[in-house]
Amino acid sequence: ELKVEQNPLFLSMQEGKNYTIYCNYSTTSDRLYWYRQDPGKSLESLFVLLSNGAVKQEGRLMASLDTKARLSTLHITAAVHDLSATYFCACGGYSGAGSYQLTFGKGTKLSVIP
Amino acid sequence: DGGITQSPKYLFRKEGQNVTLSCEQNLNHDAMYWYRQDPGQGLRLIYYSQIVNDFQKGDIAEGYSVSREKKESFPLTVTSAQKNPTAFYLCASSPDRGYRNTEAFFGQGTRLTVV
Repeated sequence: ELKVEQNPLFLSMQEGKNYTIYCNYSTTSDRLYWYRQDPGKSLESLFVLLSNGAVKQEGRLMASLDTKARLSTLHITAAVHDLSATYFCACGGYSGAGSYQLTFGKGTKLSVIP
Repeated sequence: DGGITQSPKYLFRKEGQNVTLSCEQNLNHDAMYWYRQDPGQGLRLIYYSQIVNDFQKGDIAEGYSVSREKKESFPLTVTSAQKNPTAFYLCASSPDRGYRNTEAFFGQGTRLTVV
């Protein structure tokens, strides 16, 4: 069974600072997704990482994937208030029934304070 | 514009009542999914369908039912057997049968509350 763990679950950071969110997964996964969720809203896709060593950047966010360590990171550079949201990672993999599914972490609630 | 539409946005259910959440997509996607999100939690898969007239149980299917009579539509019924239905429900779709070749797109969600 594929399990996904994110840490930290809560993150309060000052504007202008850097920080990293970690996503560990338990078994082989061939792709890793990062989503953003604003309060009361749906999920917005940020990144899809497909291979070992993949790195993608969009604005102040950069995601990377290390399939050997079963680890993905979401790095925040010079945080601004607009980045306050909950960030989820999700791994693609096969379930016990043989179907391909996404398994989500519990999310990291990020608050950027002035 | 193409997208996934969930309705209603807010729904209130009385004890012992069945309610149906709507999910429609005009993206011509094959696969559709229903997730449940509880406060402070990630998403848990309820049911998914990779083709019309076929669907499979996810991790927490008990107390829920679905149908897939049309490619565009994947309604979710929360039955009276679901003892704790208060949650945020998200519908998603992807072009291929499963997420393997692409990402999923999510609807705006339905917030269900038991009164």
